[in-house]
Amino acid sequence: DQQVKQNSPSLSVQEGRISILNCDYTNSMFDYFLWYKKYPAEGPTFLISISSIKDKNEDGRFTVFLNKSAKHLSLHIVPSQPGDSAVYFCAASRNDMRFGAGTRLTVKP
Amino acid sequence: GAVVSQHPSRVICKSGTSVKIECRSLDFQATTMFWYRQFPKQSLMLMATSNEGSKATYEQGVEKDKFLINHASLTLSTLTVTSAHPEDSSFYICSATHRDSGVEKLFFGSGTQLSVL
Repeated sequence: DQQVKQNSPSLSVQEGRISILNCDYTNSMFDYFLWYKKYPAEGPTFLISISSIKDKNEDGRFTVFLNKSAKHLSLHIVPSQPGDSAVYFCAASRNDMRFGAGTRLTVKP
Repeated sequence: GAVVSQHPSRVICKSGTSVKIECRSLDFQATTMFWYRQFPKQSLMLMATSNEGSKATYEQGVEKDKFLINHASLTLSTLTVTSAHPEDSSFYICSATHRDSGVEKLFFGSGTQLSVL
């Protein structure tokens, strides 16, 4: 039962442009959402989160948007940099945590 | 697709007992597995990196004698919470890396909710 889905396995963006990573969830009980970033041979690192009482959270170049009615969240990276190239996981949580399968972002110079 | 199975999904135990959590890669060999801990409304905290056939690498502040990690085979890693106390109550989750067509991917287990009474 895949409660959190990232339907795009990969995304390629030009440096300086916006990267938009999408995530959908099915369980309306989730009340906390997170994005993680993972480089090869490393564990994922926390990037940004949002509580279900908000619809937007911004941290520097990273902004997460939450649309509860659509059960959809997205991560915007502006401007994208080559160092942003990594796999991005979204996660949804209430008492436990469920992860999407990840989206591989490639930012081309 | 690759699947990581984590068991048990939920455990309630008395203070002072030890609890073992298993993380299995069902259809691939995982040379590296990660163990995390998560408190409500907080992000995952990496506890340790488990490599098959060698000692786990623990993150700073994680007690090695408290959280025993064994990665005896390419498909199984275990986390044992020894002499559990109420402050160990948390959500524990594992993940495993798998190289597919030259691309490294990460797969998560479904997690274990530990409640210590």
